[in-house]
Amino acid sequence: EIVLTQSPATLSLSPGERATLSCRASQSVNRFLAWYQHKPGQAPRLLIYDASNRATGIPARFSGSGSGTDFTLTISSLEPEDFAVYYCQQRSNWPPVTFGGGTKVEIK
Amino acid sequence: EVQLLESGGGLVQPGGSLRLSCAASGFTFSTYSMSWVRQAPGKGLEWVSAFSGSGGSTYYADSVKGRFTVSRDNSKNTLYLQMNSLRAEDTAIYYCAKDTGNIVAAIFDSWGQGTLVTVSS
Repeated sequence: EIVLTQSPATLSLSPGERATLSCRASQSVNRFLAWYQHKPGQAPRLLIYDASNRATGIPARFSGSGSGTDFTLTISSLEPEDFAVYYCQQRSNWPPVTFGGGTKVEIK
Repeated sequence: EVQLLESGGGLVQPGGSLRLSCAASGFTFSTYSMSWVRQAPGKGLEWVSAFSGSGGSTYYADSVKGRFTVSRDNSKNTLYLQMNSLRAEDTAIYYCAKDTGNIVAAIFDSWGQGTLVTVSS
């Protein structure tokens, strides 16, 4: 099973600041990595798939990069609605599909 | 607009059973793979099971294999999860998620709001 480790666990930032979230895989997942945003009481939302492809309707301030074992989600300028938990997920070697433990982006 | 509505959650005793449903609309249900993903209290997301679109293939996490059964009724646009021999560690919000194609690609582009399952005596 591929283990995904996200860091940091919590990111405290102010609106307008840049957010950089990391996801590291226990073995190569090529570029088969996605990012999701999840707010309490809401459905998770696909942001990025296959490392760098924005999903439909996702604003350009969200970008993904990386390949192999190291990936990054960048939010270029935080909007108030961006404060949430973010998960990475791999589909390179499944089952099982695996998710990272999440990074909470909170308001500083 | 894609809509996924889960139902069937509730309180069940350890060893008991429950069947979850996910009613889908806004897309051609039969041509998309679907998955169940859960979130235990205070924990992250955990993939549970997948069912391919028209091919009939099913997949399970080791933690539920042999206890849970995923099925779908394409005539009713509904995905199901039959959960037997429930354990306390199965307590979670269960989400259904739509995949991006007929074959399981494990890219979940739409999710429901979830249904809460609590396993407790």
